[in-house]
Amino acid sequence: EAQVTQNPRYLITVTGKKLTVTCSQNMNHEYMSWYRQDPGLGLRQIYYSMNVEVTDKGDVPEGYKVSRKEKRNFPLILESPSPNQTSLYFCASSHRGLYSYEQYFGPGTRLTVT
Amino acid sequence: KQEVTQIPAALSVPEGENLVLNCSFTDSAIYNLQWFRQDPGKGLTSLLLIQSSQREQTSGRLNASLDKSSGRSTLYIAASQPGDSATYLCAVCKNNDMRFGAGTRLTVKP
Repeated sequence: EAQVTQNPRYLITVTGKKLTVTCSQNMNHEYMSWYRQDPGLGLRQIYYSMNVEVTDKGDVPEGYKVSRKEKRNFPLILESPSPNQTSLYFCASSHRGLYSYEQYFGPGTRLTVT
Repeated sequence: KQEVTQIPAALSVPEGENLVLNCSFTDSAIYNLQWFRQDPGKGLTSLLLIQSSQREQTSGRLNASLDKSSGRSTLYIAASQPGDSATYLCAVCKNNDMRFGAGTRLTVKP
C-alpha cells in the first residue's frame, strides 16, 4: 500500500530534550516536506527536500533541522524543543514532475513540549 | 508572497444540499491547486488536483474549478452527506512552495 508513515504519532517531551520525528514513504517520491499545523494559522511549511542530500527552508524553519540521506526517509529534528513548537506535524511526499505536485500526507505527529 | 484565503471559515448545511467552498490566492502564477479533506485529528486526504492549464476537475460528487486570472477556485459538493463533514483545505503550488488556506470547516446535519 502506497503511504507516508510518521513516528511517533504522539509525543510529550520537555523543553531542551532533543527529539526526532521520522518520516518514510514507499512511493519512490523525490520531493518530501514537513509542515506544522496550528489553530488559526493553518499549515505552514518547515523544510522541504527535492531529492537526496538536497534540502531547503520553508516558511518557518527556525528551531528545526532535517536530513535526506535516503530517498525514502526525511526525519525532522528538534535539537532543543521549546513550548512554541507544540503543534501538529505532517510529513508529505510527491513526485517531482514539474506540473504534478500532488502531495500525499502522513497521519500526523502531535507534539507537546512542556 | 502568496496568500491563500478560504471563505467561509465554517459552514453548516442540512443533508442533501449542494454547496460551494471558495478559495482565493494572490499570485496567479501557480503550477496547480489542490483541494484536501482533513478529518479531526487526522492527516490530509487529497481530493482533487487542478493543473494550471486546466479549468476544472471532477471526482464523484465533487467538482473543483480554477480561474487563474482572477485567483479563484471553488469546490462544489453535490448532494451533501453527513460523511462529508470535515475541514476542506485548498493549497496552491508554485515551484517548490505549497501554500495552504486556513480551511473551511463543513458540518452536514442529518
